[in-house]
Amino acid sequence: SQQGEEDPQALSIQEGENATMNCSYKTSINNLQWYRQNSGRGLVHLILIRSNEREKHSGRLRVTLDTSKKSSSLLITASRAADTASYFCATVSSGSARQLTFGSGTQLTVLP
Amino acid sequence: KAGVTQTPRYLIKTRGQQVTLSCSPISGHRSVSWYQQTPGQGLQFLFEYFSETQRNKGNFPGRFSGRQFSNSRSEMNVSTLELGDSALYLCASSSTGTGGYNEQFFGPGTRLTVL
Repeated sequence: SQQGEEDPQALSIQEGENATMNCSYKTSINNLQWYRQNSGRGLVHLILIRSNEREKHSGRLRVTLDTSKKSSSLLITASRAADTASYFCATVSSGSARQLTFGSGTQLTVLP
Repeated sequence: KAGVTQTPRYLIKTRGQQVTLSCSPISGHRSVSWYQQTPGQGLQFLFEYFSETQRNKGNFPGRFSGRQFSNSRSEMNVSTLELGDSALYLCASSSTGTGGYNEQFFGPGTRLTVL
């Protein structure tokens, strides 16, 4: 079963605009990760944020984590057509299970 | 370093047959996990192997099995295929024994179609 939901399910923006995707989850976590997937291919790891962190940056990516609300957001600034992909959040629980539990994903389309 | 490789990339089988998928992790990675991706259920965890031992298992029937070899390469097997097994099967490797506590590196996947 999936950990939670991502919002929105689909997002379409113009090149140069910022894109924000949200993720909610249900259980206590050790960390939360964001992945990108281009059309039916493998997933690419973007960023990992641990439960004791509130914000993390990597290039044009900014991730926030609010453990009290069990939610996270991914912001992509100055988007490019090449950012068009599906974006997934994935959690690792704080229990003994260490697998990634994925959200449902956001399909981002960046129009040139 | 070479990335995670999966073979074959595409596979077509008929109901009732069995299939074996292969995954070679990044050199030095000892943890290998398998995931199934379908349009209806999304990405779901199948199992994780570390040092030739299954350490964690998802909620899949016993028709789904796997193993890991001493060189960390892993195989998964699906017996008595059903139409619903049609999916993209993704393998991921991780550098530490803690598996998902760190980032996982995914292969390109094997697209299985069951007719």
